[in-house]
Amino acid sequence: GENVEQHPSTLSVQEGDSAVIKCTYSDSASNYFPWYKQELGKGPQLIIDIRSNVGEKKDQRIAVTLNKTAKHFSLHITETQPEDSAVYFCAAMNTGFQKLVFGTGTRLLVSP
Amino acid sequence: DAGVIQSPRHEVTEMGQEVTLRCKPISGHDYLFWYRQTMMRGLELLIYFNNNVPIDDSGMPEDRFSAKMPNASFSTLKIQPSEPRDSAVYFCASSWNTGELFFGEGSRLTVL
Repeated sequence: GENVEQHPSTLSVQEGDSAVIKCTYSDSASNYFPWYKQELGKGPQLIIDIRSNVGEKKDQRIAVTLNKTAKHFSLHITETQPEDSAVYFCAAMNTGFQKLVFGTGTRLLVSP
Repeated sequence: DAGVIQSPRHEVTEMGQEVTLRCKPISGHDYLFWYRQTMMRGLELLIYFNNNVPIDDSGMPEDRFSAKMPNASFSTLKIQPSEPRDSAVYFCASSWNTGELFFGEGSRLTVL
């Protein structure tokens, strides 16, 4: 089955800096790669996703890149703000099976 | 729509007691998922349903765990008998066949 590894487990940055979180996956059949943000006491919420037919997607300060050959994908947050502080999860799925497998999470702390 | 609704939000029980967690998915969604979140194991998929039918329960840890979806608007996850190692946050999520999961706010279970 699919296995998703995520690094780093914690990341501390100063407000205004960029943050990068990296993930690798094992199943070459996976074709959907979402990123979720989880705030304290809440359920995870989708912030951006990418499908295997594109290499990059951007939404304001957030971007995701995908390298299918290397089975890597990354989340990039620019101009970080304190409200970006949360736990971020990457995930991978073969949309034929609707079984989303999550990485272990990255705790991002943005200091003012 | 109010989103995915889970109850109870918090449950404290003693070892050996039966625990029932409840979920109301978003109306119109045809997939429902139960996840468990712990510090050690992260977000684990326990079981998911499509059109009220269980599709994959390979993540259910033991026979003590069972899940049902008697209709499109209700699902339960039952643990009987409960053990201290079952302490975790249990999330329900629902989706259309698009990949994006919508999570509830979770049920925090503590088994003493």
